[in-house]
Amino acid sequence: RKEVEQDPGPFNVPEGATVAFNCTYSNSASQSFFWYRQDCRKEPKLLMSVYSSGNEDGRFTAQLNRASQYISLLIRDSKLSDSATYLCVVNKNSSASKIIFGSGTRLSIRP
Amino acid sequence: NAGVTQTPKFRVLKTGQSMTLLCAQDMNHEYMYWYRQDPGMGLRLIHYSVGEGTTAKGEVPDGYNVSRLKKQNFLLGLESAAPSQTSVYFCATARTSGGELFFGEGSRLTVL
Repeated sequence: RKEVEQDPGPFNVPEGATVAFNCTYSNSASQSFFWYRQDCRKEPKLLMSVYSSGNEDGRFTAQLNRASQYISLLIRDSKLSDSATYLCVVNKNSSASKIIFGSGTRLSIRP
Repeated sequence: NAGVTQTPKFRVLKTGQSMTLLCAQDMNHEYMYWYRQDPGMGLRLIHYSVGEGTTAKGEVPDGYNVSRLKKQNFLLGLESAAPSQTSVYFCATARTSGGELFFGEGSRLTVL
């Protein structure tokens, strides 16, 4: 079993729709969680950190469920520019060597 | 501010050739990382450094060597390239070990 698992997609949704995807992690001692965005043939960039209380940044909401060991990302009122691959990142113990990347969920927004 | 700069951006090698990828950062970050990204797989850590003069192995270190002689530079070397090393290589930096990662634009390497 992979340490961090994501549905690879692609998720193909119309502009304006709400879309959500999850990421599961296997190590219950994991301490910090992030969502990164990666555009085609570009480098990953931090979208948002995921806190225990959840957090929201405009149209984006991230949640953490420690009991079930998953994090989620919700995108409301999706835009064409949201088309990208979303990477789930888990840091197992705040160690430099314990940052684990999911393989990503591909999202495509259609007009 | 350039941030994190990788050179070269593209390279084609023949099996057995050697090369070095350079990562340069102007962010004064202590932590630097080399990852490889292959289709269908997450980024995998090759080597990392927690400060000038230090290096450590990551998840997939075989076939690679690194050096961090200066704080701002992290070099990744392939001594004898193999087709299995065809990949996109990303350098990343961070201010703290659990903090945000800042990536370079990537280096696409093809080994024939």
